[in-house]
Order: sequence, then structure tokens, then C-alpha cells
Amino acid sequence: EAGVAQSPRYKIIEKRQSVAFWCNPISGHATLYWYQQILGQGPKLLIQFQNNGVVDDSQLPKDRFSAERLKGVDSTLKIQPAKLEDSAVYLCASSLASGINNEQFFGPGTRLTVL
Amino acid sequence: SQKIEQNSEALNIQEGKTATLTCNYTNYSPAYLQWYRQDPGRGPVFLLLIRENEKEKRKERLKVTFDTTLKQSLFHITASQPADSATYLCALDEYTGRRALTFGSGTRLQVQP
Repeated sequence: EAGVAQSPRYKIIEKRQSVAFWCNPISGHATLYWYQQILGQGPKLLIQFQNNGVVDDSQLPKDRFSAERLKGVDSTLKIQPAKLEDSAVYLCASSLASGINNEQFFGPGTRLTVL
Repeated sequence: SQKIEQNSEALNIQEGKTATLTCNYTNYSPAYLQWYRQDPGRGPVFLLLIRENEKEKRKERLKVTFDTTLKQSLFHITASQPADSATYLCALDEYTGRRALTFGSGTRLQVQP
């Protein structure tokens, strides 16, 4: 079974530039998550989709971050404009559903460095 | 405020010994708790899930306990091996309208051969 795919793996940009990350979840997984993991910390949920609808985006900085999941499959996360504090690993995860047995499968992440 | 605490200092043990990692939480009432393993440069990998009404869960060399009175989960790896060296994350789900996991910062385990 193919895992969660993410691209790019690494990205270096200057502050105030924009950047986009792409995620392809495991086939058949209805729920998709984007996390931000700052060095030395655990992943922090940014946004959760159920199919192509947003379930939770309470921790997404909506003035600069946006995400979409067209057709309920692939998803993109965008930052515009980027700040220094956005330097982190952005993890995408998926699960069959958002129920109580929601084992999450994570992708390898995109490491973003903002200079 | 809500807090999940895991030992920030690395845990160093000898091969063959039992590793015990701690996850303490405050101001949460989790419906269940999960443990994940994360290797450098990789995403977390799910290991075990334990529900609030379960005291203990086992999977091969892994054992998790969940004490809702103490607000603590313990994660044990018996007969540890160098390949078990990684960061271990605990994550809580409160089963409220907001269905999302909240992760601790993880504990790094180093198993010496």
C-alpha cells in the first residue's frame, strides 16, 4: 500500500515570499490533516478535512495560511507571505475517517526554511 | 491551561533493558491516547492506541498503561534494541466537537548496544 506522499521535501525561501506544499493521501482515506512541527516540538494541527470539507481550522493563521482539498483527494497548503517563525516541518497525514479509531498515517513532511 | 508533558531530556538505556517513557497531562479529559514513533527526517508512525476505559494495552514488545486518575500514560519497550532508538510522541484526543489529536513534544530514546 502506498503511503502519504508530500512534495517538495525541502524548501528555502525568503521572508515575505509565498510557498505551497502538496499532499496526496492514502487512497480511500476520507480525512486529511496538515500539521506544523517546529524543531523540538510535537506536531500541531493546522487544518483537518473530511473529504473536501473543512472540519477544523481553528489553529490555522488564516491571514497568511490557506489550504484546499479539491475533489476530496489531494491537498495543497499555502503560506503567503511567509514569516521567519514559519520555519518548520509541514506534515500531512490521512486516516480512514475521523472516528475514535483514527490511526493517522503521516507523510515524510516538507522542511521549510524562511530566511 | 492545557498541557501535555513528556520528558524533554533523552532517555539512554542499555540494550536488553526495559525503556519506560512518561506522558503526563493536565486539564484534559482524553477519550483515548495514542503513541507514535518518529525517526529523524520522517513523519510519525502510529504504534498503539488506548481508550480511557482501558488500563493496559500490549503489542509485541510494547506496553502502554493509561491512568485517568493520575492523568498519566506510561509507554514500555521490553528487551530494547538499538533499532528502537527514536523519538516517541504521545497524543490525546478529547472526543469533543473538535476531533483532533494534541501531541506532546516527545521523548528521545537512545538504546546503547
